[in-house]
Amino acid sequence: QITLKESGPTLVKPTQTLTLTCTFSGFSFTSSPVGVGWIRQPPGKALEWLALVYWDDDKRYSPSLKSRLTITKDTSKNQVVLTMTNMDPVDTATYYCAHYYGDYVAFDVWGQGTMVTVSS
Amino acid sequence: DIVMTQSPLSLPVTPGEPASISCRSSQSLLHSNGYTYLDWYLQKPGQPPQLLIYLAFNRAPGVPDRFSGSGSGTDFTLEISRVEAEDVGLYYCKQALQRWTFGQGTRVEIK
Repeated sequence: QITLKESGPTLVKPTQTLTLTCTFSGFSFTSSPVGVGWIRQPPGKALEWLALVYWDDDKRYSPSLKSRLTITKDTSKNQVVLTMTNMDPVDTATYYCAHYYGDYVAFDVWGQGTMVTVSS
Repeated sequence: DIVMTQSPLSLPVTPGEPASISCRSSQSLLHSNGYTYLDWYLQKPGQPPQLLIYLAFNRAPGVPDRFSGSGSGTDFTLEISRVEAEDVGLYYCKQALQRWTFGQGTRVEIK
């Protein structure tokens, strides 16, 4: 059974850097064709894909946020970390990590999400 | 960027009746490998999204067969043959041909 869980601060100040950790179990990050992605959802708004890292460490970023995002994986710890710099109140959202299955070309298992508020 | 447009944005439904949601992409989602890179998700209230349909018409494991996906190119439809009360929530289509972008979401609620 695949599970993912997001962790990180619930409150960050404007201009600070957000670091979120996704801890997963139930799959190996060393075998293709899997990945872990991050998706966010501002309150009352739609889903927005942010970043994804593949099993082979290839990485993809949302073009509109690319300059602010970094995604890394630690296979030994079964973790994927997302950092987002220069946080702004518009970045207030629930942040989800999700298992990406290449055979489906889709996010087939999602974490419960973690709410992050950006406020001074 | 590929833009995904859903309609309607709100859909009141009657239990036992069919329902359908439309999704249109700004360019074809047909990959050179012959697969169409479109999926559907349902986000029930207070829950994360769950995958319903992948590659345009394949039901994800455990998804009831009352859900079906169809379409090709730029026009897609999610159909629920007989709506149940547990089907309420936000439905999203998503393209995976160029990065990943979601539609605005369609809110399904019981009349």
